[in-house]
Formats: sequence, structure tokens, C-alpha cells
Amino acid sequence: QITLKESGPTLVKPTQTLTLTCTFSGFSLSTTGVGVGWIRQPPEKALEWLALIYWDDAKRYSPSLESRLTITKDTSKNQVVLTMANMDPVDTATYYCARSLSSTYDAFNIWGEGTMVTVSS
Amino acid sequence: DLQMTQSPSSLSASVGDRVTITCRTSQSISRYVNWYQQKPGKAPKLLIYAASILQSGVPSRFNGSGSGTDFSLTVSRLQPEDFATYYCQQTYTAAAFGPGTKVDLK
Repeated sequence: QITLKESGPTLVKPTQTLTLTCTFSGFSLSTTGVGVGWIRQPPEKALEWLALIYWDDAKRYSPSLESRLTITKDTSKNQVVLTMANMDPVDTATYYCARSLSSTYDAFNIWGEGTMVTVSS
Repeated sequence: DLQMTQSPSSLSASVGDRVTITCRTSQSISRYVNWYQQKPGKAPKLLIYAASILQSGVPSRFNGSGSGTDFSLTVSRLQPEDFATYYCQQTYTAAAFGPGTKVDLK
């Protein structure tokens, strides 16, 4: 059974750096074709794609947020970490990690339950 | 920049209705479109990938079609559990989701 779970702070202050960890089981991020991505959703708003890292350490970022994002993986720990710098109240959202079905179409077929992050002083 | 639009933004329908949601992109993206369903308070669920391939376990009343710039998701006979918000996603360039379509009960 494949599962993913997001963890990190629920509250961060403006200008701080957010660090979120996705811990997964049931698959390996060293398997060809596998990827893990991050998506967020502000309250009552649409999904926003953030970043994706592949088995071969290739990375893709949202162009609008690329300067603030870093995605890394630790294959031995089955974890993917997303950092987002210079947090602002507009970054308040539920953050999801998800596994991509394949590197061809990058469809997310397994999702974590999400973690809510509030940005406030 | 690749732009994606999704329509309608919302629709009201009855159980048994056939509903169609469309996504349009500003440039050709072959078949690099996926469709998701999201219910309140839950993570999205993958329905269709590569424009028309039904994800394992998804009922066959869901159908995806299109290529190039125009894509659609059709639910042939709406069931009570299908009232939700639907998102398209393009993965041709840096991936992005459409703005969503909320399907509610008429």
C-alpha cells in the first residue's frame, strides 16, 4: 500500500522559510519513472502546482515561485523536502505531497492528506 | 506563457445527467492533460491521465477526450457521489492546474 504524509509547522511568520517534509511508504524514489511533487490550495481556492522531483534527481518548479522554492529528496529515508523562502500571508494554504504516476504525464495518482500552513505574525 | 482556461466555473445538475467540462490551452500540448476530482476537505483524486486514459478503479462513466488545445471531461450519468469540484491539469510545460469546475445539485 502506498501512502504519503506531509509534516511541518502549522504556523509560520512572514519572511520566514517554510520547511515541509513528505514521508512516504510503499514505493521507492530510486525506481525509474517515479516522482514526488508538492501542490497547495489556499482556503476556498484552486489547486496550485509547486514542484516535482524525479527518481533521477531532476526537478521542476512553478515558474512563478521558482525563486522561492527548493525541493530535495532523501531516498534512504523515503522523504521529499520542500522549502519555501520569504513566506507571506498569501501563502496560507493546505500543502499536499503526491506521487506521480509516471514521468511522462506527471499525473498524481496517490496523495497525502495535506497539511494546513498559516502565515501570520 | 501557456495559459489554461476551464469552463464552466460551476454548473448545477441532477442525478443521471450527462455533464461535460472543458479545458482549453493557449498552445498545443498534445495529450498532456490530467483530470482530478476533489471533495470538500479531501485531497484530489486522479480520474483521467494523458487526456483519455481512465485511472484504475475509476468508474467508466468518466470519460476524457481531446488533444492539442481542447480537452473535455464527461460524466455520462451523474451519480450522487460525483458532486464535487473538478480540475484539469496540464503537464506539457511547468505543470499547472485549471481554475476548477464545481458541480452541485440542481
